[in-house]
Amino acid sequence: GAVVSQHPSWVICKSGTSVKIECRSLDFQATTMFWYRQFPKQSLMLMATSNEGSKATYEQGVEKDKFLINHASLTLSTLTVTSAHPEDSSFYICSASLPWAFFGQGTRLTVV
Amino acid sequence: AQSVAQPEDQVNVAEGNPLTVKCTYSVSGNPYLFWYVQYPNRGLQFLLKYITGDNLVKGSYGFEAEFNKSQTSFHLKKPSALVSDSALYFCAVREGGSTLGRLYFGRGTQLTVWP
Repeated sequence: GAVVSQHPSWVICKSGTSVKIECRSLDFQATTMFWYRQFPKQSLMLMATSNEGSKATYEQGVEKDKFLINHASLTLSTLTVTSAHPEDSSFYICSASLPWAFFGQGTRLTVV
Repeated sequence: AQSVAQPEDQVNVAEGNPLTVKCTYSVSGNPYLFWYVQYPNRGLQFLLKYITGDNLVKGSYGFEAEFNKSQTSFHLKKPSALVSDSALYFCAVREGGSTLGRLYFGRGTQLTVWP
């Protein structure tokens, strides 16, 4: 079946640094990918829709300059958390649709 | 606007007993409905979907769900629960006609199956 691979699974970084999270579709082409953020024991919050070859569409309240999304190819979308702060610590999940969504394994980001 | 409601934060059931995790939805047009399961610190795994056809949908790991249009519900069921079924379950809906559009998730239901 279709597989979406997300890397890294977890990352710890210092405040003020940037962190890049990769989301790859391994056996299919994904023109659209989605990035979610999940707080403990809560549902997924859609952050942005990533479109191959064009700018991402961000949900209301999500800072574009803070969460940079790049979808340069049909198999790779990246989310970069810039100048990370402790409040950015969260679980980030990507997905691609085929037509139902397949999810990456998630990335646990901890900013210290 | 699309929305999904999972009225129960927590469902507890004994192993071997049947389980039900409830979901109701609101969507314009025909809905595409999904159930996903999430284990701790993992992404979501697809369980089953309803697009069209039979109202009773069978999915992975012995789970099934029944689409009820009049009640706008899509409850997840399993005849005999296993301890390994303990996880967080999400119901999701996508507006019909859009196969690549975003999903709207319920808040999740934590299922605990005790031995």
